[in-house]
Amino acid sequence: SAVISQKPSRDICQRGTSLTIQCQVDSQVTMMFWYRQQPGQSLTLIATANQGSEATYESGFVIDKFPISRPNLTFSTLTVSNMSPEDSSIYLCSVTKTGADGYTFGSGTRLTVV
Amino acid sequence: GESVGLHLPTLSVQEGDNSIINCAYSNSASDYFIWYKQESGKGPQFIIDIRSNMDKRQGQRVTVLLNKTVKHLSLQIAATQPGDSAVYFCAENKGNQGGKLIFGQGTELSVKP
Repeated sequence: SAVISQKPSRDICQRGTSLTIQCQVDSQVTMMFWYRQQPGQSLTLIATANQGSEATYESGFVIDKFPISRPNLTFSTLTVSNMSPEDSSIYLCSVTKTGADGYTFGSGTRLTVV
Repeated sequence: GESVGLHLPTLSVQEGDNSIINCAYSNSASDYFIWYKQESGKGPQFIIDIRSNMDKRQGQRVTVLLNKTVKHLSLQIAATQPGDSAVYFCAENKGNQGGKLIFGQGTELSVKP
């Protein structure tokens, strides 16, 4: 299965600032996804990162708040913009090669907004 | 709305006993299901998957059962060990939804020595 490197692993940020999270995969993958996991909760899909085009966002998530880039088949970034304490969560990158062969997750970015 | 949910949010078992974690899903169009284990401070780790054309699949110490009639999924862990203590999530893939996974609520498994 693919190996994911997600950076940073954690950060403490001031409200009103932005943080960009990177997801690097060791092999080409078809699909990349970004999830949010609030404290003590399950994973909620933010968006599907599409290579060479705009990401597809889930209900409740918008591009202005969570801009996503995916310049190639092995790399994606998620930016959390104009942060507030409510954005304090773990953000996770996930990839799959076919959509039916298991999905691999990064170790996550633990974000605290103060 | 569509959802994947769990019957029990917490489960405590004695070391050596078998564990059963349950999950209900609402979309009959889902065709691929995965169980994940998440330890504190880590990302979800793949345990086992099953496709909708199967009703049972076995791995090492784990078995997943799928009952499409009642839209129910379960994970059975044999001879539960302290290292099995974690939160377990079921997730479904809706084949016509661009490959995205939707996660259930999660069950925290605690193994008593």
